Amino acid sequence: EAAVTQSPRNKVAVTGGKVTLSCNQTNNHNNMYWYRQDTGHGLRLIHYSYGAGSTEKGDIPDGYKASRPSQENFSLILELATPSQTSVYFCASGDAKGDTQYFGPGTRLLVL
Amino acid sequence: GDSVTQTEGLVTLTKGLPVMLNCTYQTTYSPFLFWYVQHLNEAPKLLLKSSTDNKRTEHQGFYATLHKSSSSFHLQKSSVQLSDSALYFCALRMSNYNVLYFGSGTKLTVEP
Repeated sequence: EAAVTQSPRNKVAVTGGKVTLSCNQTNNHNNMYWYRQDTGHGLRLIHYSYGAGSTEKGDIPDGYKASRPSQENFSLILELATPSQTSVYFCASGDAKGDTQYFGPGTRLLVL
Repeated sequence: GDSVTQTEGLVTLTKGLPVMLNCTYQTTYSPFLFWYVQHLNEAPKLLLKSSTDNKRTEHQGFYATLHKSSSSFHLQKSSVQLSDSALYFCALRMSNYNVLYFGSGTKLTVEP
């Protein structure tokens, strides 16, 4: 079974603070993705990566940065967190075509 | 632009009844369609997928047929169970991209 883990699972941050969400996958997939999930919006793509050293902007990249230092790790960085970034964040890894994506358990972020 | 539309936000049914969750899409590329299911407090998981026009695909009692003529990929089940209560997402991948575009999701609640 494919394995994607995320840390932390829950995070409370202050407005203006820096937040780093981490994702690790043991599937040896080239593709990794960061989504946020909000009621009524489904899953929206923030950033994605085709492999170590690469990051690409998704549909809603503003206010977020991403880092892919290795095949296994993909981080999402909020340099200056805002309350509008309160959400549930999912990381996923995907096969070569990006068809089957394996999701991590999610991180609940609350920005006060 | 490319998009996925799920018209029902909430569907409530009694156990044993049939269900159809609607999904339509827009794209100028050759489409690949997916249904993902997310149970409460869990990560989304792939339920089924298709890229073949007019061919029914099935998994775990659910089935869907991609109809390119009507740009639709509706999810159906003949008899829903309590365990089918979940959030269902339709997703689209274009033929030359490795990202998925998700619909807003349909929450299915099955009552005894």
